[in-house]
Amino acid sequence: AQTVTQSQPEMSVQEAETVTLSCTYDTSESDYYLFWYKQPPSRQMILVIRQEAYKQQNATENRFSVNFQKAAKSFSLKISDSQLGDAAMYFCAYRSDGANSKLTFGKGITLSVRP
Amino acid sequence: EAGVTQFPSHSVIEKGQTVTLRCDPISGHDNLYWYRRVMGKEIKFLLHFVKESKQDESGMPNNRFLAERTGGTYSTLKVQPAELEDSGVYFCASSRTGVLSAVNEKLFFGSGTQLSVL
Repeated sequence: AQTVTQSQPEMSVQEAETVTLSCTYDTSESDYYLFWYKQPPSRQMILVIRQEAYKQQNATENRFSVNFQKAAKSFSLKISDSQLGDAAMYFCAYRSDGANSKLTFGKGITLSVRP
Repeated sequence: EAGVTQFPSHSVIEKGQTVTLRCDPISGHDNLYWYRRVMGKEIKFLLHFVKESKQDESGMPNNRFLAERTGGTYSTLKVQPAELEDSGVYFCASSRTGVLSAVNEKLFFGSGTQLSVL
């Protein structure tokens, strides 16, 4: 079974600075997908970024980028130019390739942004 | 386009009572998922519907939990009788095809139902 580990329960960053959230996972599969979800106080989970394991290039979405290290099974999220609205809980998630496969989540990390 | 809607947003019940949670997926989304997060722990998969059929219910904790999706539209998750360990946030999510490898395929989440069993 796959597992996702987010070892840092919380982090803090100064507004406009850069922060990196860590995530590691364990799997024996070669094809899969990795995701970062954001959960603001409204509780609605929002997809931040996704990475296909077969792609060597790291995914980027505006101020959000990932450092995907397949051999090390590491998938960290970098948030550049942090904004107050980035304060939220962030979940790393794994999904096997194939139709109708479920997500496996980490415990999440609470990110606070200092003005 | 309306998002995934969950009712109620909060529910406080006593141990032994029954609670029914409802999820309205995005219109046209055949795939509906239930997840649960117990405080301080991972979000765990409960089950997956494709239309009205249960595709995967491997995450359902025990037979006190009953999920239905009559007609393939909205879904309900009933807990009867509720126990203290059932407290947590119950999330619903939906997607159109369930094939998340498709470039534009996304999973949309609702805001969850916070269930407190006292």
